[in-house]
Amino acid sequence: DQQVKQNSPSLSVQEGRISILNCDYTNSMFDYFLWYKKYPAEGPTFLISISSIKDKNEDGRFTVFLNKSAKHLSLHIVPSQPGDSAVYFCAASERGNNDMRFGAGTRLTVKP
Amino acid sequence: ETGVTQSPTHLIKTRGQQVTLRCSSQSGHNTVSWYQQALGQGPQFIFQYYREEENGRGNFPPRFSGLQFPNYSSELNVNALELDDSALYLCASSLGGSGTYNEQFFGPGTRLTVL
Repeated sequence: DQQVKQNSPSLSVQEGRISILNCDYTNSMFDYFLWYKKYPAEGPTFLISISSIKDKNEDGRFTVFLNKSAKHLSLHIVPSQPGDSAVYFCAASERGNNDMRFGAGTRLTVKP
Repeated sequence: ETGVTQSPTHLIKTRGQQVTLRCSSQSGHNTVSWYQQALGQGPQFIFQYYREEENGRGNFPPRFSGLQFPNYSSELNVNALELDDSALYLCASSLGGSGTYNEQFFGPGTRLTVL
């Protein structure tokens, strides 16, 4: 059962523009959400997270938005840089449950 | 401060064999989680160890087993390998246990191919 979905396998944007990566989930018990970035031959690296008590969290160029009623979250990268080119995974977890669920990932390509 | 390391990097086995993958957690971390990432998919949670005890398990059969040692390093063992076990196996370490949200630091993974 795929409780976390990233419906766009790939996204291409121009350097300096905004990148928007989307993620949907089905389990209403999820209360903590994370984004990870993965370069080839490396493990995923934590990027940013958000708790269900918030609807926005910002860290530099990265902002995560959470819409609990729609069970949807998104990651905004502004401005996008070529070094941001990577696979981005959305993940969700439920307090007390160590089973963190990942989406299938979106490959972001930022063109110079 | 050393990061999470995994060995070996790559491994080729045949169906029915057994395999052991190893993970050294980041210094100071007492929790290790293992994930399987099949091609084109996101990581899937196998299980987690906290202070040498299993602390949660995903939807994987018993032939997937693990250990955590007093120095918090960990092993993932897979018996009776099947073709579908071919995947990237990721280990992640963190500080804390059940009920806590702590950032997980991932290793580079072990690429297992079952022929």
